Amino acid sequence: DAGVIQSPRHEVTEMGQEVTLRCKPISGHDYLFWYRQTMMRGLELLIYFNNNVPIDDSGMPEDRFSAKMPNASFSTLKIQPSEPRDSAVYFCASSFGAGLARTQYFGPGTRLLVL
Amino acid sequence: GQQVMQIPQYQHVQEGEDFTTYCNSSTTLSNIQWYKQRPGGHPVFLIQLVKSGEVKKQKSLTFQFGEAKKNSSLHITATQTTDVGTYFCISATNKLIFGTGTLLAVQP
Repeated sequence: DAGVIQSPRHEVTEMGQEVTLRCKPISGHDYLFWYRQTMMRGLELLIYFNNNVPIDDSGMPEDRFSAKMPNASFSTLKIQPSEPRDSAVYFCASSFGAGLARTQYFGPGTRLLVL
Repeated sequence: GQQVMQIPQYQHVQEGEDFTTYCNSSTTLSNIQWYKQRPGGHPVFLIQLVKSGEVKKQKSLTFQFGEAKKNSSLHITATQTTDVGTYFCISATNKLIFGTGTLLAVQP
């Protein structure tokens, strides 16, 4: 079975450019999470969706970040404009079942470097 | 707000030694999950604990949830080099609360 799929796996871009990260959750999962991980701050939850609806975006750092989930099989995280401090590993995860206390299946991550 | 402190931040052991990491909360947790992340990899679910005093085992790993449901531990008996990675806890109520993680290094 395919797990959570993320693309691209690596992204190098220059400051000011738009970055779009993509995620395909596991089929049938109804929760989707976007995380950012850095050495300094560890794993941070940015936003999560339930049945394609954003539920909690309090972790989104600022207006430069936006996330969408147009359907149950696809989500994007966009950074515009990107800044060097956005350099991190971005993980997408999905889970199934009511509530947050469910096993989360993480994708391989997108390693973003903003120069 | 509710926080989960995880200790230690880093531990270096010789292969064959035991290892324990702890997650401690100032408030009662409804549940706790443990994940492992290998260097350069992504977090992988290990186990979930929900009951007061619960103990679960997976091969050389032993997981405990405290009687007061304010702390949890992950213990590895006789570590192996394959145990290298970061172990972290997550608690879920109406929001997710993360431990900061413990990086385990195992020297052969």
